[in-house]
Amino acid sequence: GQQLNQSPQSMFIQEGEDVSMNCTSSSIFNTWLWYKQDPGEGPVLLIALYKAGELTSNGRLTAQFGITRKDSFLNISASIPSDVGIYFCAGQAPGTYKYIFGTGTRLKVLA
Amino acid sequence: GAGVSQSPSNKVTEKGKDVELRCDPISGHTALYWYRQSLGQGLEFLIYFQGNSAPDKSGLPSDRFSAERTGGSVSTLTIQRTQQEDSAVYLCASSSRGIAGYTDTQYFGPGTRLTVL
Repeated sequence: GQQLNQSPQSMFIQEGEDVSMNCTSSSIFNTWLWYKQDPGEGPVLLIALYKAGELTSNGRLTAQFGITRKDSFLNISASIPSDVGIYFCAGQAPGTYKYIFGTGTRLKVLA
Repeated sequence: GAGVSQSPSNKVTEKGKDVELRCDPISGHTALYWYRQSLGQGLEFLIYFQGNSAPDKSGLPSDRFSAERTGGSVSTLTIQRTQQEDSAVYLCASSSRGIAGYTDTQYFGPGTRLTVL
């Protein structure tokens, strides 16, 4: 099925570094969601974005809804070992109820 | 309950057998989604329920897959004559509306890991 382009696919970073990942789509969305999934668990919602240009923070996490409505990014500041996991973006197109998921960014933090 | 629950957490079955996976959504959530996640992959939409409306089954990969939602709450995903390629994590999510045009968020259960031998 249709998927968003999420990058990077994976990244190794040192503890304390900032991390940035993004998702892009060929079509516009009216909702962007960011999830984190730990091994053996279901995705957990981190941040929800509902308006173009919206910038929302959740602790060390910050996400933005791109003004073109075709992209979103997630930043993690001062990474810690427990940030390890797979991060997914999900977008919902106008007039639909389906969410389209990115392919995920696998984050590994080196202590 | 406080969150979406799914059972069983793990299911190992033999090829050709039928399996049933259960999802209990968050109380009061009218929309329910099923997804499939193969190892190392993203989430693949399977089916969507909203209230008493007819479900959107457009993501079901074959007629061996079916799902129902009784009383607008609990949902069961059934896979008949399982094949090895059905092995995956099956995730359920619910949201409070899920109606096209409304902003909404969905919350996931822990998933059922299905292994077909």
